[in-house]
Amino acid sequence: SQTIHQWPATLVQPVGSPLSLECTVEGTSNPNLYWYRQAAGRGLQLLFYSVGIGQISSEVPQNLSASRPQDRQFILSSKKLLLSDSGFYLCAYGTSGSRETQYFGPGTRLLVL
Amino acid sequence: EDKVVQSPLSLVVHEGDTVTLNCSYEVTNFRSLLWYKQEKKAPTFLFMLTSSGIEKKSGRLSSILDKKELFSILNITATQTGDSAVYLCAVGVTSGTYKYIFGTGTRLKVLA
Repeated sequence: SQTIHQWPATLVQPVGSPLSLECTVEGTSNPNLYWYRQAAGRGLQLLFYSVGIGQISSEVPQNLSASRPQDRQFILSSKKLLLSDSGFYLCAYGTSGSRETQYFGPGTRLLVL
Repeated sequence: EDKVVQSPLSLVVHEGDTVTLNCSYEVTNFRSLLWYKQEKKAPTFLFMLTSSGIEKKSGRLSSILDKKELFSILNITATQTGDSAVYLCAVGVTSGTYKYIFGTGTRLKVLA
């Protein structure tokens, strides 16, 4: 069965510091991978998605970037965090075929001070 | 622009009540509609719908899709306090690849 991991679970960072959030998936090959952000009391905003190694599509302009160095690894990064980057970051993988759907990792709560 | 709208935004009911949550959408290249339940953590998957008129059911929860009128409903019967959560609707679209557009959710609170 597939599982998805994210770390860290929570993070408090000062403004201007760098960021690296990691997501890994087990039990599936060549998944579609997604990064979402959920601000307090709001819906999920798609940030990036990837259909394969090195293939990244960005949905919104921002100071974040994503990379997929391995098939089942997806990394969200920033060189300099802003206050507005605070939120709940969720990684998800998509299954394909007739039962295609999307499953989420446990998420990372980021607070930028 | 693709859009998914959920209503109501929030709802307070008493245990035993039945609730109906709505999700309407305007998207190009519709592929599927998903329902999730989110408590104070990551969303958990409830249903995936692709065909009109076919009800999906799991215990006290059920959902149906109307692709002509572009909406879906999620029903919860005999609500319990454990049903209190934010319910998210997401529409899968194909636009070069496969991605999901989320609504802002309906916050349900069930009182004992």
